[in-house]
Amino acid sequence: DVKVTQSSRYLVKRTGEKVFLECVQDMDHENMFWYRQDPGLGLRLIYFSYDVKMKEKGDIPEGYSVSREKKERFSLILESASTNQTSMYLCASSMGGKTETQYFGPGTRLLVL
Amino acid sequence: DQQVKQNSPSLSVQEGRISILNCDYTNSMFDYFLWYKKYPAEGPTFLISISSIKDKNEDGRFTVFLNKSAKHLSLHIVPSQPGDSAVYFCAASRSGGYNKLIFGAGTRLAVHP
Repeated sequence: DVKVTQSSRYLVKRTGEKVFLECVQDMDHENMFWYRQDPGLGLRLIYFSYDVKMKEKGDIPEGYSVSREKKERFSLILESASTNQTSMYLCASSMGGKTETQYFGPGTRLLVL
Repeated sequence: DQQVKQNSPSLSVQEGRISILNCDYTNSMFDYFLWYKKYPAEGPTFLISISSIKDKNEDGRFTVFLNKSAKHLSLHIVPSQPGDSAVYFCAASRSGGYNKLIFGAGTRLAVHP
């Protein structure tokens, strides 16, 4: 079974704090993704990575950065958290092909006060 | 500008009847479409997909129909079961490029006895 794990299920941070969200997959997948899910907006892609040290901006990259130093790990960084970054964050991974299924982690619910 | 639209935020269906979830898209470059299902406190899980070269794909109780001229797809669940109660997301990807998905806002399905 593919397993995608996220470091925290719930996080509460203060405005201006630096926030790290970690994602680990155990299936040797090439692709990894970070989404945020908001009511009425569905899932929106923040960043994705198709290889170690490679990253591509998604649809809403502003205010975020990512790091992929190892194939199995993809980190999302909020350099200076703001209240509008309060959201559910979902990590996913997939094999390299375009039609490969994306497997999602359980999500991290982040509250920025 | 949402390229993938699910105009019904919620749907209520009686157990045993058919559930029909609809999805519209605007980008004619989309050539692969998927449905994901999400239970509370879990990440989305892949349900069924369809390539633009087909107009129907069936998997057990789930069938996806694609109408390219109308830029519309639908998911049929027959018969509906209480365990199908979840949020369903439609997603699409463009020809070429990486495994990058554009998601709709989701439809919450409630199947009641």
